[in-house]
Amino acid sequence: EAGVAQSPRYKIIEKRQSVAFWCNPISGHATLYWYQQILGQGPKLLIQFQNNGVVDDSQLPKDRFSAERLKGVDSTLKIQPAKLEDSAVYLCASSSHRGLEQYFGPGTRLTVT
Amino acid sequence: GESVGLHLPTLSVQEGDNSIINCAYSNSASDYFIWYKQESGKGPQFIIDIRSNMDKRQGQRVTVLLNKTVKHLSLQIAATQPGDSAVYFCAEGNQAGTALIFGKGTTLSVSS
Repeated sequence: EAGVAQSPRYKIIEKRQSVAFWCNPISGHATLYWYQQILGQGPKLLIQFQNNGVVDDSQLPKDRFSAERLKGVDSTLKIQPAKLEDSAVYLCASSSHRGLEQYFGPGTRLTVT
Repeated sequence: GESVGLHLPTLSVQEGDNSIINCAYSNSASDYFIWYKQESGKGPQFIIDIRSNMDKRQGQRVTVLLNKTVKHLSLQIAATQPGDSAVYFCAEGNQAGTALIFGKGTTLSVSS
């Protein structure tokens, strides 16, 4: 079974620029999560989707972050404009049952200069 | 084997020792708990989980213990190997499907 795929793996941008990340979950997994992991900390949820609907986006900085999962499969996370404090690894995870046994992708390491 | 009573950010053990990594969780309503292993440059990898109706669950070389009274979770790794070196995170959630809340990680270093 293929795992969660993410791209790009690395991205370096200047502050105030825009960036987008892509995630393809495990086939058949209805729930998809985006987490932000700052160096030295545990992942923190940004947004949770159930199929193509948002379940929880309470911790998403909506003035600059947006995410979509239009067809209930792939998802994109966008940051516009980026700030220095957005430097982190952005992890995508999926699960077949809400909240249980989440499987993580390799992450995208974002550096904002 | 090496053990810690309180959460420590790092744990160093010798190959073959047993390791115990501790975690305190915050939400009394949490009824699902999970341990992840994260190697450098990779995403977290599922190790073992436990539901609140249990206080112990065993996997291959790993055991998770749950003490709901004091909101404490521990991961025991038997016969620790160099390949076990990584950062270990505990996470809490609930079976209703909310997202996981991750604790502070513990970096396990295994020397041969």
